[in-house]
Amino acid sequence: DADVTQTPRNRITKTGKRIMLECSQTKGHDRMYWYRQDPGLGLRLIYYSFDVKDINKGEISDGYSVSRQAQAKFSLSLESAIPNQTALYFCATSDFYLGQETQYFGPGTRLLVL
Amino acid sequence: AQTVTQSQPEMSVQEAETVTLSCTYDTSESDYYLFWYKQPPSRQMILVIRQEAYKQQNATENRFSVNFQKAAKSFSLKISDSQLGDAAMYFCAYRSYQGAQKLVFGQGTRLTINP
Repeated sequence: DADVTQTPRNRITKTGKRIMLECSQTKGHDRMYWYRQDPGLGLRLIYYSFDVKDINKGEISDGYSVSRQAQAKFSLSLESAIPNQTALYFCATSDFYLGQETQYFGPGTRLLVL
Repeated sequence: AQTVTQSQPEMSVQEAETVTLSCTYDTSESDYYLFWYKQPPSRQMILVIRQEAYKQQNATENRFSVNFQKAAKSFSLKISDSQLGDAAMYFCAYRSYQGAQKLVFGQGTRLTINP
């Protein structure tokens, strides 16, 4: 089984709809991240969480919210979807120990907002 | 703020040959990490190799190696004996040692392997 899973893998929604993307991990990591990837661009950070009680905005958090329900679960919500939120969304996890950290990514969720 | 630049949008190489992907970055920090990630058509982001800035020795992972030039702020990826399965988008990424510790990605390089 995959260590980092994302649901759904693909989603089509309409402008103005609320949508939630879910991420679960079995790696036991404290740190979780949500990124967005647009065509021809690298990933950009939306939100990140270093533990269940810690939520931080990334560089493009406007229009998004997150919830860290448990160490293993980190959800991303679009309260009112708009077409320019059409993108590929990645969840990632990492464990930080003695200055060493590597992020491991889920398979991505492709979102289309009509 | 840190930035990462990959100046080669696309590269191609013959199977079994060697190819080098370029990456430069801008930072005022002295301690940081650099990564190369691979994204095949499956969309999965896969870690290829990592380099700690405090280490002078270049990292290697089987057929993958880096040329890390700290003074020049350059971090290139060399793929030896290229295989068809190496075809993918490759992203260079930077992470601070302290602070927010978020990954900053380059724009990516699409690598094609010609049989």
